[in-house]
Parts: sequence; C-alpha cells; structure tokens
Amino acid sequence: KNEVEQSPQNLTAQEGEFITINCSYSVGISALHWLQQHPGGGIVSLFMLSSGKKKHGRLIATINIQEKHSSLHITASHPRDSAVYICAVIHSNRDDKIIFGKGTRLHILP
Amino acid sequence: DGGITQSPKYLFRKEGQNVTLSCEQNLNHDAMYWYRQDPGQGLRLIYYSQIVNDFQKGDIAEGYSVSREKKESFPLTVTSAQKNPTAFYLCASRPWTGPYEQYFGPGTRLTVT
Repeated sequence: KNEVEQSPQNLTAQEGEFITINCSYSVGISALHWLQQHPGGGIVSLFMLSSGKKKHGRLIATINIQEKHSSLHITASHPRDSAVYICAVIHSNRDDKIIFGKGTRLHILP
Repeated sequence: DGGITQSPKYLFRKEGQNVTLSCEQNLNHDAMYWYRQDPGQGLRLIYYSQIVNDFQKGDIAEGYSVSREKKESFPLTVTSAQKNPTAFYLCASRPWTGPYEQYFGPGTRLTVT
C-alpha cells in the first residue's frame, strides 16, 4: 500500500465548479506539500502546511493531522487550473524524506 | 531572479551511452535532490545532497551517479547501467534548516533509444 494516496486519480469538471482533491497518508509527518505540475512538466509549490488551513486566491488547503488527511479545494475553477496536483508529505522520522503521491490529473472544460 | 535551472529540456541518447543532466540553483540552498518521474507514478528520489562534497543514495540510485563540487550545482549522470533510463527528471533544492519547502526546476525529459 502506498504511504500517500490521492483521490481521485483523474477529474474532469466544468468551468466554475468547486473542486476537491483528497490526500491520505499513513506515516507520521512534519508537514505536507500541495504541488502543481503543468503539461510542460515544471512543478510549482502551492502550499506547505502542518496544521489547519491555508488560502491563496481561489485555492484552499486543509489538513487534519489526527485523521492523516488533507484536501485541496479550488473555487470557481477555470481551464487554466488544468494540471496535475501532487500531494507530498515530509516524513517526520526518516531524515525529512519527502514521499509523493501519484498525483490527480484535473481537466477543467470551458 | 532566483531559481533552479535544468538543461537541456529535452535530451535524446542512444542506448549504451552515459548522459549528464545539469542542475544549477542560485537560491543559496544547501540541499539538492534528483527525482525521476514515470507516467502514473509518484516522484521517486534518486540521490540527494545536504552539503558540498557529500551526497546520499535515494530509493532508486542504481545506474545513476552524482557529484556536488559546488553548492550551486548538482549534476546527474545516467549511466549505461540504468536499465530503463527514459523518464522525466526533476531537480529540487531547499534550505537545510528552516522551512522544508522544496523548489523544483523545470525538468529534463530524457529519451534513450
């Protein structure tokens, strides 16, 4: 079983819809990243969080440490949000090793 | 502007040849990382370095080698011993102390035929 699981693997939605991507993990962590990868391949860090909630523009990330679960929400989705979203956790007991989920491919239709 | 550069963006090689991928950062970060990405899989750690002249194997180091002679540079060599070298390679860096956030380069797509 993967230590970091994301769902769904693929998501297609209409422009304007509210999007939720989930991340569950099974290891102790010190922090969690949400990353965005565009078709060209480059990766951008969206959020790093260790508790609670963070908001940046239309993006909101939440984490529940007790439940080992995080969600990434996109409000008023737009075709330019189409990308792969990757959840990554920083392992608290393994020399800060980062474990990546397989990503969620999001496609927003105009 | 500060950032990480990887070159080239696309690289083609014949089987049996060694190839070196470049990674340079001007963020003054201590730690640098090489990841491999295959379709449908998460990023996997190849090698990482916390300090100049020191580096550690990651989860899939076989068939790869690295050097860290300068703080800014962490080149990755894909050797002929790597059985399946065609992949997308990403370099990353972060400060060793303080926030854990990693910064990623744009990646190099290597195709070996």
